[in-house]
Amino acid sequence: SQTIHQWPATLVQPVGSPLSLECTVEGTSNPNLYWYRQAAGRGLQLLFYSVGIGQISSEVPQNLSASRPQDRQFILSSKKLLLSDSGFYLCAWSVQGGTYEQYFGPGTRLTVT
Amino acid sequence: GDSVTQMEGPVTLSEEAFLTINCTYTATGYPSLFWYVQYPGEGLQLLLKATKADDKGSNKGFEATYRKETTSFHLEKGSVQVSDSAVYFCALSDYLGYSTLTFGKGTMLLVSP
Repeated sequence: SQTIHQWPATLVQPVGSPLSLECTVEGTSNPNLYWYRQAAGRGLQLLFYSVGIGQISSEVPQNLSASRPQDRQFILSSKKLLLSDSGFYLCAWSVQGGTYEQYFGPGTRLTVT
Repeated sequence: GDSVTQMEGPVTLSEEAFLTINCTYTATGYPSLFWYVQYPGEGLQLLLKATKADDKGSNKGFEATYRKETTSFHLEKGSVQVSDSAVYFCALSDYLGYSTLTFGKGTMLLVSP
């Protein structure tokens, strides 16, 4: 069966510090991968998605970036965090060519102080 | 563009009450429709889905029917439990080749004993 991992689970970082969040998927090949952000009490905002290694699409302009160095690894980064980057970050995957339901990881709670 | 509209919450019910959470959508094509559930501090879990008109998705006592004529996908459960307290998200995927989902803003459900 497929599983998706995210780490760290929680993170507290000062403004201006760098960020690296990691997501890995097991039990499937060539998945579509996604990064979402969920602000407190708000809905989901799609940040990035990837249909293959090195192929990243950005949905909103921001100081975040994403990379996919391996087939089942998706990384979210920032060089300098802002207060507004605080939130709950969710990684998800879906089957290429399927009916597009997505399967979510447990999330990373990021607090920028 | 595509959009999903959900009833605003919170929805507060007593245990064993009947639940309806409304969801309507706008899409250019023939989307698949999904309901996700998010328990506090966790990622989203796929609850049920429907891929074509008149399909009924069901899982764990929850049901939703894909109504193309009213562009709706309302979530129902005959008898809610305290453990159903969570945020519920309606979502659609349109087969535009981007493999992304459009989410509603979520509806919080609070069930009291």
